[in-house]
Amino acid sequence: KNEVEQSPQNLTAQEGEFITINCSYSVGISALHWLQQHPGGGIVSLFMLSSGKKKHGRLIATINIQEKHSSLHITASHPRDSAVYICAGADQFYFGTGTSLTVIP
Amino acid sequence: DGGITQSPKYLFRKEGQNVTLSCEQNLNHDAMYWYRQDPGQGLRLIYYSQIVNDFQKGDIAEGYSVSREKKESFPLTVTSAQKNPTAFYLCASSIGTGGGQPQHFGDGTRLSIL
Repeated sequence: KNEVEQSPQNLTAQEGEFITINCSYSVGISALHWLQQHPGGGIVSLFMLSSGKKKHGRLIATINIQEKHSSLHITASHPRDSAVYICAGADQFYFGTGTSLTVIP
Repeated sequence: DGGITQSPKYLFRKEGQNVTLSCEQNLNHDAMYWYRQDPGQGLRLIYYSQIVNDFQKGDIAEGYSVSREKKESFPLTVTSAQKNPTAFYLCASSIGTGGGQPQHFGDGTRLSIL
């Protein structure tokens, strides 16, 4: 069993839809990292959070440390949001398998 | 601009040959990491280094070797002992290890066997 589980594995949405990606973890971590991997393979850090909620543009990340659960929300999705989204324990050792998001115009 | 540079972007290896993947950072970060990514799997840690001249094995270190002679450089050698080396390799760095330290990633090297 992977220490970090993401759902769904694949997600297709129409442009403009509200999207939610979930992450549950079974290990004790002090903070969680949300990453975005582009089709070419490069990875960009989106958020690091240890409690509550963070917002950046159309992206919102929430975390509940007690329940060991985090969510990434994308409002008003756009085709340029198409990528793989990865959650990871911020100790750099635990990674989810990623959620592949495709936003259709 | 500060960042991480991995080279080459694509690499081909013959059977029985060692190859070295380059990773350089100019972020003045102490910690550096190597990960392997296979289709449908999460990133898996190969090696990490918390400081110059020190490195630790990750979950899948067999068949790989590293060195950390300079703060800015953390090359990964894929040896002939690695029986399934075809994968996407990512290098990352952070100010330090432990929780709460955001990572910066390179663009990756895709290794294939001829």
